[in-house]
Amino acid sequence: DAGVTQSPTHLIKTRGQQVTLRCSPKSGHDTVSWYQQALGQGPQFIFQYYEEEERQRGNFPDRFSGHQFPNYSSELNVNALLLGDSALYLCASSKRGAWGSGNTIYFGEGSWLTVV
Amino acid sequence: GENVEQHPSTLSVQEGDSAVIKCTYSDSASNYFPWYKQELGKGPQLIIDIRSNVGEKKDQRIAVTLNKTAKHFSLHITETQPEDSAVYFCAPEILYAGKSTFGDGTTLTVKP
Repeated sequence: DAGVTQSPTHLIKTRGQQVTLRCSPKSGHDTVSWYQQALGQGPQFIFQYYEEEERQRGNFPDRFSGHQFPNYSSELNVNALLLGDSALYLCASSKRGAWGSGNTIYFGEGSWLTVV
Repeated sequence: GENVEQHPSTLSVQEGDSAVIKCTYSDSASNYFPWYKQELGKGPQLIIDIRSNVGEKKDQRIAVTLNKTAKHFSLHITETQPEDSAVYFCAPEILYAGKSTFGDGTTLTVKP
């Protein structure tokens, strides 16, 4: 049983460009959350998707947007990239619609984004 | 929003010793208290969690204790092994709120 898979694993973009990161949740999971983890810091919540809708959002500008597909996979899009967007982007999935419901939350290994 | 602090930021112990990491939070409404372990090049992995109606939970060599009055909870690792070396994060949250706030992490090094 595959866990949470993310792609690409590494990528380099130029300031001002746009990037799309992809996530496939663990089999049986229907909720996907995205996190940004800067070097040496804890993950910061970006947003959560359930039933193809954004349910919760952290303190991130609307340059960060997302989508969830009928098969529960998800994309994170970042427009007008800044140098400060360089980070590890983590996807986490869980079962049912309730985050932190006591169901185990699984993280992917992340996508390393470098903005130059 | 929730303010979360972890102490210490780094911790080095000898193999076989115990390690304790403390997490302090600000939102008294938080009622779910997980700890995650992140190894190099990997995503965080949930290792133990506790709900606010329980004061302590143990799973083999790891345990979590909660003091809701003082708004802190701690991770205890006994008989540490080199494979326990990793970054540990706490992430207190409100159940069903849909988001969590992570601490900045504690780097644990277990020396053989």
